[in-house]
Amino acid sequence: DAGITQSPRHKVTETGTPVTLRCHQTENHRYMYWYRQDPGHGLRLIHYSYGVKDTDKGEVSDGYSVSRSKTEDFLLTLESATSSQTSVYFCAISDGTYYQPQHFGDGTRLSIL
Amino acid sequence: AQSVTQLDSHVSVSEGTPVLLRCNYSSSYSPSLFWYVQHPNKGLQLLLKYTSAATLVKGINGFEAEFKKSETSFHLTKPSAHMSDAAEYFCVVSNSGGSNYKLTFGKGTLLTVNP
Repeated sequence: DAGITQSPRHKVTETGTPVTLRCHQTENHRYMYWYRQDPGHGLRLIHYSYGVKDTDKGEVSDGYSVSRSKTEDFLLTLESATSSQTSVYFCAISDGTYYQPQHFGDGTRLSIL
Repeated sequence: AQSVTQLDSHVSVSEGTPVLLRCNYSSSYSPSLFWYVQHPNKGLQLLLKYTSAATLVKGINGFEAEFKKSETSFHLTKPSAHMSDAAEYFCVVSNSGGSNYKLTFGKGTLLTVNP
C-alpha cells in the first residue's frame, strides 16, 4: 500500500472555527490532491499540488486553501468552517505519469456543527 | 473535457451470480480509465486500470473490465459475486493529453450482494 497518512481521522468542530487537515506521504510523489466526498456527488477535487509551493484549484475550491512547503506534506485549511463543509476528505498522491493511478489515504471525517 | 457516467447508482445481486457495473466515458483524447472500490468507512482502492495494451483488463479479486472505444464504455464485470464484494465502485477517467495528473470520478455504484 502507498504510504499516505491523513490526520486527524475524525474531527468535530463548530461553525466559524479554523480547521487544518494534514496529508503526509512517504512515496516522494510529485502530485498531491485533496478531495471531498459527499453522498450523490462521488469525489470532487478541491485543490491539488504539482510540486513544492505549486498548487492549483479544483472544482470546489471556494472556502478552502492549501499549502505545500515540503514534498511529503500537503495541508488543507478551512479558514472559517461552515456546516456545508461537513464531509469526508480524502488525500491522494500520484507520480503523474500516464496510466498511473492516484493512491488514496483513508480519509478524514469532518463534522461542523 | 472528460466526463464519466455510471449508469446505475445501485446494483443488487445474489451471491454466486454475475456482476455487471456499467460505465460510459467521454474524453477528447485517448483516455486512461480506472475502477476503484470503496468499502464502508475506508479509502478508495484501485481495482484495475486500462493502459491501452489490451482492451480486456484484469484486476484484483476476480474483476475484469473491457474497454470498448466504439461504445465509449468501460464496464466492470465479475463472474461470481461474493459477499465481500459489497461496496461502492467508482469509474474514473483521466484528463489524458499525455499526463495523468487530473481525474474525473463517476458518482459511484453501490453494489449489494444478497446471501
